[in-house]
Amino acid sequence: SAVISQKPSRDICQRGTSLTIQCQVDSQVTMMFWYRQQPGQSLTLIATANQGSEATYESGFVIDKFPISRPNLTFSTLTVSNMSPEDSSIYLCSVDLLGLAGQETQYFGPGTRLLVL
Amino acid sequence: GENVEQHPSTLSVQEGDSAVIKCTYSDSASNYFPWYKQELGKGPQLIIDIRSNVGEKKDQRIAVTLNKTAKHFSLHITETQPEDSAVYFCAAHNSNTGNQFYFGTGTSLTVIP
Repeated sequence: SAVISQKPSRDICQRGTSLTIQCQVDSQVTMMFWYRQQPGQSLTLIATANQGSEATYESGFVIDKFPISRPNLTFSTLTVSNMSPEDSSIYLCSVDLLGLAGQETQYFGPGTRLLVL
Repeated sequence: GENVEQHPSTLSVQEGDSAVIKCTYSDSASNYFPWYKQELGKGPQLIIDIRSNVGEKKDQRIAVTLNKTAKHFSLHITETQPEDSAVYFCAAHNSNTGNQFYFGTGTSLTVIP
């Protein structure tokens, strides 16, 4: 596995502002992923971030709202832009590493808990 | 695309009893099925996983079974303890076609001391 950290761990923001979430991994990984987990809900993939290329966004998510950076193989940021209360969620980064069955699987960071007022 | 359904959404058991969480998937090409445990205020943690060439896997008090024909897989926790209380997510993945993992909607397990 890997040690994955996120900053901030939580924040309360005013609508219309933007927040940048950082994700740091203690080993080099090819792909990093950003998920959203709305209260009491499952995990929804926002985008996949590869180092040196544009992030790939899932249906319903756009770069203008969720710009992503991936400057190197251990770090990524997700910005939640022009926030509204509907953006209140847990934002999780994850990486692909070998799982217990020898298959690459998703390992998650601790999450960033965002409340937009 | 893949659709993963998970039941029940909530589950309460007495300490020492067993708990079973079930998931079904729609894409027969899915070949990898991890389970995650998410404690309050934390990110999901991988607890056990199974590949499609295996029907059952056990790790101490937890086990996972897979029925490829019926396209369902289950998590079994025996001798439950209060620290097993958490939200559990199943997921399905096709390792041949990409990186997308499809998650179930989660089961909130409460173990009553």
